[in-house]
Amino acid sequence: KAGVTQTPRYLIKTRGQQVTLSCSPISGHRSVSWYQQTPGQGLQFLFEYFSETQRNKGNFPGRFSGRQFSNSRSEMNVSTLELGDSALYLCASSSQGGGETQYFGPGTRLLVL
Amino acid sequence: KNEVEQSPQNLTAQEGEFITINCSYSVGISALHWLQQHPGGGIVSLFMLSSGKKKHGRLIATINIQEKHSSLHITASHPRDSAVYICAVRGTGNQFYFGTGTSLTVIP
Repeated sequence: KAGVTQTPRYLIKTRGQQVTLSCSPISGHRSVSWYQQTPGQGLQFLFEYFSETQRNKGNFPGRFSGRQFSNSRSEMNVSTLELGDSALYLCASSSQGGGETQYFGPGTRLLVL
Repeated sequence: KNEVEQSPQNLTAQEGEFITINCSYSVGISALHWLQQHPGGGIVSLFMLSSGKKKHGRLIATINIQEKHSSLHITASHPRDSAVYICAVRGTGNQFYFGTGTSLTVIP
């Protein structure tokens, strides 16, 4: 099976712009989670989707949003970008979500100037 | 206050040494995960634990639910084990909490 794929891999934006990141899970996986990783804060949980429904959300402002499509692919959107949004954004998929093993994508590295 | 604390933050070992990384957490959990992250960012899930002990090759992970503590052991360490090891817990409220990671360098 192909692994989790994320597009784009690298992205440069300026403050105030918005960005959409995409994640394609492993075939058959219905749960997709998103994470932000920065040198200062480490890994932080953004949100989790299962069967097109947001099941859980981390402590991030409303500028961060996401969705999941019927084919389990997921997108996350960040509006009104701030310098502090520069980070590695990782998605991970699993079959059912919950506490089971997650498979991580390579990440999208976002730089906000 | 961090829900997940890892120690040590940095660890340098000689090839062949036995390595232990510790993780303590303060929340109720449904599962604990050990993750490995190599330079460049890719993360691999090593173990998912809810009780007891698991072994995979030279890696062993244990968890003590009562003490809210987990350890990751690497036997006969090798330079290719050099990576950042991250402890993550799935809280009973379904949120994920992460430790700050342990940076391991194994010297040949």
